[in-house]
Amino acid sequence: GESVGLHLPTLSVQEGDNSIINCAYSNSASDYFIWYKQESGKGPQFIIDIRSNMDKRQGQRVTVLLNKTVKHLSLQIAATQPGDSAVYFCADGEVRGGTSYGKLTFGQGTILTVHP
Amino acid sequence: DAEITQSPRHKITETGRQVTLACHQTWNHNNMFWYRQDLGHGLRLIHYSYGVQDTNKGEVSDGYSVSRSNTEDLPLTLESAASSQTSVYFCASSESSIAVKQSFGPGTRLTVL
Repeated sequence: GESVGLHLPTLSVQEGDNSIINCAYSNSASDYFIWYKQESGKGPQFIIDIRSNMDKRQGQRVTVLLNKTVKHLSLQIAATQPGDSAVYFCADGEVRGGTSYGKLTFGQGTILTVHP
Repeated sequence: DAEITQSPRHKITETGRQVTLACHQTWNHNNMFWYRQDLGHGLRLIHYSYGVQDTNKGEVSDGYSVSRSNTEDLPLTLESAASSQTSVYFCASSESSIAVKQSFGPGTRLTVL
């Protein structure tokens, strides 16, 4: 099946810098995209989501950008902090129905390390 | 507060034994999912359920089974544990309205010797 992938497996930044994590997806039928954060020893934690009819959505210190033309998703973290160090996963799925309804396809993950 | 819990958090078992991992959610979500997480493979879907008495196979369902007798619980059973099933297992749940917006449990680390 189609899958979501990541360009970079690791990202190291200095505290206070902005971080950008990228993701390429292949399923053109996906209409919902989610970023998860996973800290060591814990389950994935929802960060932010975006529907396919949007190209940008902002949260607290985070922004997700969606470019459907090139099937690209990015997560921007402003003023990155040591507590942001984690593995970040992008995931996509379909909410409209059909055989793929409700199922998420995950990327491999990007390790973000924030240095004090 | 509503939550999703998994038990046990750690389990060591032997090849050939039957193992059941518990997942309990108090969100009153209709949808529940089981994933395994392995290095190099990310999260892979094992089984999922859209409601009581409903179960479906995911991409890596061989050797696993689930049953859904109530809204809150979706236990995952390994019929005859194999070393290849050593992994970290995550349970997740979601509302029917946005099924893909899933909330995850803390995970169970299973080692099959």
